Amino acid sequence: KAGVTQTPRYLIKTRGQQVTLSCSPISGHRSVSWYQQTPGQGLQFLFEYFSETQRNKGNFPGRFSGRQFSNSRSEMNVSTLELGDSALYLCASSLGGTTDTQYFGPGTRLTVL
Amino acid sequence: AQSVTQLGSHVSVSEGALVLLRCNYSSSVPPYLFWYVQYPNQGLQLLLKYTTGATLVKGINGFEAEFKKSETSFHLTKPSAHMSDAAEYFCAVVGGFKTIFGAGTRLFVKA
Repeated sequence: KAGVTQTPRYLIKTRGQQVTLSCSPISGHRSVSWYQQTPGQGLQFLFEYFSETQRNKGNFPGRFSGRQFSNSRSEMNVSTLELGDSALYLCASSLGGTTDTQYFGPGTRLTVL
Repeated sequence: AQSVTQLGSHVSVSEGALVLLRCNYSSSVPPYLFWYVQYPNQGLQLLLKYTTGATLVKGINGFEAEFKKSETSFHLTKPSAHMSDAAEYFCAVVGGFKTIFGAGTRLFVKA
């Protein structure tokens, strides 16, 4: 089976812009979770989707949003980018949810200038 | 609410020595506990997980972890370190469709 894929792998944006990141889960997986990884804050949970429904959300401002499509692919959007949004954004998929084994993608490295 | 504390942001061992990475958790419900490894410029890879049952969990690459409820710990061990074990290791607790990660421990392996 193909692994979790994330596009794009690298992205450079300027403050105030918006960005959309994409995640394609492993075939058959219905749960997709998103995480932000920074040197200062570590790995932080953004949100989790299952069958197009958001089941939980981390402590991030409303500028961070996501969605999941009927084929389980997921996107996350960050509006009005700030310098502090520079991070590695990781997506993980699993069969039924976060208590199952999560398989991580390689991440999207976002740099905000 | 769940939380995870990893003791030691950096651990250095000699090749062939015992690896011990410490993790303590807090959970209001029976925890699901995980250890992940991250190599540079890559995503995370699952090493092992504890859900229920046997408290000694064996994972990939010779790693194992023991769930100790009384100590709220889930320490990761490997009897003999290899150079290829150099990476960052994350302990995580899951509850309520949410994964909480520890701050991570970077393992250095000296020749």
